[in-house]
Amino acid sequence: QSVLTQPPSVSAAPGQKVTISCSGSSSNIGNNYVSWYQQLPGTAPKLLIYENTKRPSGIPDRFSGSKSGTSATLDITGLQTGDEADYYCGTWDSSLSVGVFGGGTKLTAL
Amino acid sequence: EVQVEESGGGLVQPGGSLRLSCAASGFTFSSYAMSWVRQAPGKGLEWVSAISSRGSSTYYVDSVKGRFTISRDNSKNTLYVQMNSLRAEDTAVYYCAKGPKEGAFDSWGQGTLVTVSS
Repeated sequence: QSVLTQPPSVSAAPGQKVTISCSGSSSNIGNNYVSWYQQLPGTAPKLLIYENTKRPSGIPDRFSGSKSGTSATLDITGLQTGDEADYYCGTWDSSLSVGVFGGGTKLTAL
Repeated sequence: EVQVEESGGGLVQPGGSLRLSCAASGFTFSSYAMSWVRQAPGKGLEWVSAISSRGSSTYYVDSVKGRFTISRDNSKNTLYVQMNSLRAEDTAVYYCAKGPKEGAFDSWGQGTLVTVSS
């Protein structure tokens, strides 16, 4: 049981928009920055979004993040088949003094 | 280019010990917190442990407290985790990650597999 809650799977047609949600609490998302990671099959995770909305260099602007209260969202527009991967949200939990991740969301491009 | 590379994984019997290492390059290692994150086969990411930039503060997930010890040698740009009293449920790919910085891990190694089995 993960501290952060994500839907197990999402799907959309290529070219469409998909949204992945991440729900937490006041001790984690509510009072800390959220980051998002993409894990392509058989590879290590890669940082997609940090500090709720910022993209590292090299990450396309098709990927965007937002946060409101104790929830965060990753949006992917212009979906490509190459975006098929597992996506994880993550943050720090200030009460527990631990890092926390969501359970992961498997994205399928139909 | 920022690089982190893990080593030291392998097969170990339940109750045994293993030490993982992570060699870092391409950034000022001594300025950043570092972490270990693991992923059991077919499962999601689980944060395991973190250490502050100077090594003065350490943090652990409850399931490894008292069994794992994170450390670093800033003169060698290397992160370690000593894993004792290993259990079957510790079987996972262990990733070394740069961070957290504002909660984010911005560089990851390729991972090293630890298998705990008799």
